[in-house]
Amino acid sequence: DSGVTQTPKHLITATGQRVTLRCSPRSGDLSVYWYQQSLDQGLQFLIQYYNGEERAKGNILERFSAQQFPDLHSELNLSSLELGDSALYFCASSKEDRRGTQYFGPGTRLLVL
Amino acid sequence: DQQVKQNSPSLSVQEGRISILNCDYTNSMFDYFLWYKKYPAEGPTFLISISSIKDKNEDGRFTVFLNKSAKHLSLHIVPSQPGDSAVYFCAASSISSGSARQLTFGSGTQLTVLP
Repeated sequence: DSGVTQTPKHLITATGQRVTLRCSPRSGDLSVYWYQQSLDQGLQFLIQYYNGEERAKGNILERFSAQQFPDLHSELNLSSLELGDSALYFCASSKEDRRGTQYFGPGTRLLVL
Repeated sequence: DQQVKQNSPSLSVQEGRISILNCDYTNSMFDYFLWYKKYPAEGPTFLISISSIKDKNEDGRFTVFLNKSAKHLSLHIVPSQPGDSAVYFCAASSISSGSARQLTFGSGTQLTVLP
């Protein structure tokens, strides 16, 4: 158990809809990262927050947004969903050690029908 | 432009033998390299890392080798056990703009250890 929690575990929705994925980082970790893993693909970095502020952006679509709240939990909002958004979405957190080690949650599996 | 590449999508090894997983990178700014292991229905878990100033790091059955001139690293698992069957991701760490440290992941290698 990494100490990172994600809810929900599974989500099934329809095209055009909007969903929110939630992540609680490990105790004491200020950084939260979001990744997307599509079928047979690697982990694509979406966005990073540090202590409530956006710190880095990766390949995040304009239809997607995220935020980190004062209690450090984070939410990833996906809107106008398309079939191709079906994927595993992982949240990770870190204390930003010199290696950049990140600790991952169990993921949310999103299926867009 | 894939900065971290794992060219073998899968690898099968007999129990007790050595597993060697390979990773290549292109960016000279990477200063740490990490390996993660992922079981189905779970998130990736950190396994072992190596600094770019070292050429070897060992932790029990796991050893990572770094060849900086070739921009190549490998993870050796000796002896391999059926419980090692998982997807292994190579990740490279660097500081991006805004002093944010980030990981760039390879596409993963599915290791199957046959009993």
